[in-house]
Amino acid sequence: GENVEQHPSTLSVQEGDSAVIKCTYSDSASNYFPWYKQELGKRPQLIIDIRSNVGEKKDQRIAVTLNKTAKHFSLHITETQPEDSAVYFCAASRGGGADGLTFGKGTHLIIQP
Amino acid sequence: GAVVSQHPSWVICKSGTSVKIECRSLDFQATTMFWYRQFPKQSLMLMATSNEGSKATYEQGVEKDKFLINHASLTLSTLTVTSAHPEDSSFYICSACSGRALWGEQFFGPGTRLTVL
Repeated sequence: GENVEQHPSTLSVQEGDSAVIKCTYSDSASNYFPWYKQELGKRPQLIIDIRSNVGEKKDQRIAVTLNKTAKHFSLHITETQPEDSAVYFCAASRGGGADGLTFGKGTHLIIQP
Repeated sequence: GAVVSQHPSWVICKSGTSVKIECRSLDFQATTMFWYRQFPKQSLMLMATSNEGSKATYEQGVEKDKFLINHASLTLSTLTVTSAHPEDSSFYICSACSGRALWGEQFFGPGTRLTVL
């Protein structure tokens, strides 16, 4: 089955700086890679996703890059703000609506004021 | 659109009892629903895939006789934790996938926190 590794487990950055979280996956058939933000006790919220037919996607301060050859994808957050503090999870699946998501272990992002 | 609800939001039960958790898609028909479990400060782990009108598919290591899943309609899936024990205490989250979501985008419910005494 799929295995998703995520690094770092904790990331502390100064407000206004950029944050980068990296994930690798093992299943070459995976083609859907979402990123979720989860606050304590709440549901995961999709913040951005990327399909295997593109290498990069951007939405305001958030961007995701995908390297299918190397089987890794990354989340980039620029101009970080205090409200960005949360746990972020990457995930992978074969897409098509029939496959569950395999999640990374999560990154606790701390924005220092 | 794409709202998923869960009920109850939290439940406390005695060891040995059974607990049923409902997952509903409120504004779309969900051909597939998924059940995840999340222990404190850990990631989400897929437990099973629930397809309307057919048997659920369980992930390796998940006991299908302990975690009963029923997907009786395109808007409702239920997870029953049978003979619950303290080690079953966890945050259970469902997600639903619309038949129009070609790339597998999933919409998550708010989760159910189960505490077994």
